[in-house]
Amino acid sequence: DIQMTQFPSSVSASVGDRVTITCRASQGISDQLGWFQQKPGKAPKSLIYDASTLHGGVPSNFSGSGSGTDFTLTISGLQPEDFATYYCQQYNSYPLTFGGGTRVEIK
Amino acid sequence: QVQLVQSGAEVKKPGASIKVSCEASGYTFTDYAIHWVRQAPGHDVEWMGYINLGNNNTKYSRKFQGRITLFRDTSADITYLQLSELRSGDTAMYYCARDKSLADWGQGTLVSVSS
Repeated sequence: DIQMTQFPSSVSASVGDRVTITCRASQGISDQLGWFQQKPGKAPKSLIYDASTLHGGVPSNFSGSGSGTDFTLTISGLQPEDFATYYCQQYNSYPLTFGGGTRVEIK
Repeated sequence: QVQLVQSGAEVKKPGASIKVSCEASGYTFTDYAIHWVRQAPGHDVEWMGYINLGNNNTKYSRKFQGRITLFRDTSADITYLQLSELRSGDTAMYYCARDKSLADWGQGTLVSVSS
């Protein structure tokens, strides 16, 4: 199984800050990676697929990059609605696996 | 727009089974697989399996093999997760999602297992 290591596990930031979250795969997954946002009591929402492609309606302050084993999600100009938990997920091979999550908190 | 609507919360005793439904709309049902994922308090998000709605093929996580069945209602755009021999560790929120990239998610179904 491919292990997904995500860090940091939490980050405190202020509105307007830039936040970067990293996800590392235990073996190469090409660009078969997605990023999700989850708010308390809600289902995850897909933000990015294929490592860097934003889903329709996702604000442009979100961006993704990477290929192979190392990936990043960057939130530029953090907005109040961006405080949430973020997960990465690989879909290069089964079983699909997820990172442990990064909680973005208000400083 | 794409919508996945799941059935309501369930409370079960250990050893029982659950059947959770996921009704899809807004796209051609057979074009995408439906995946099932669960999220238990304090645990990582966990993939359970998928059903290919074009050919009814299924693939399950080794962890759930023998306890899980995914199937569809052939007369409607509904898929089902059946999980048997429930134990307390199965208490979780269960989600269906479209495609292996999990592009769209259901709202979740809370399953509580307690004696």
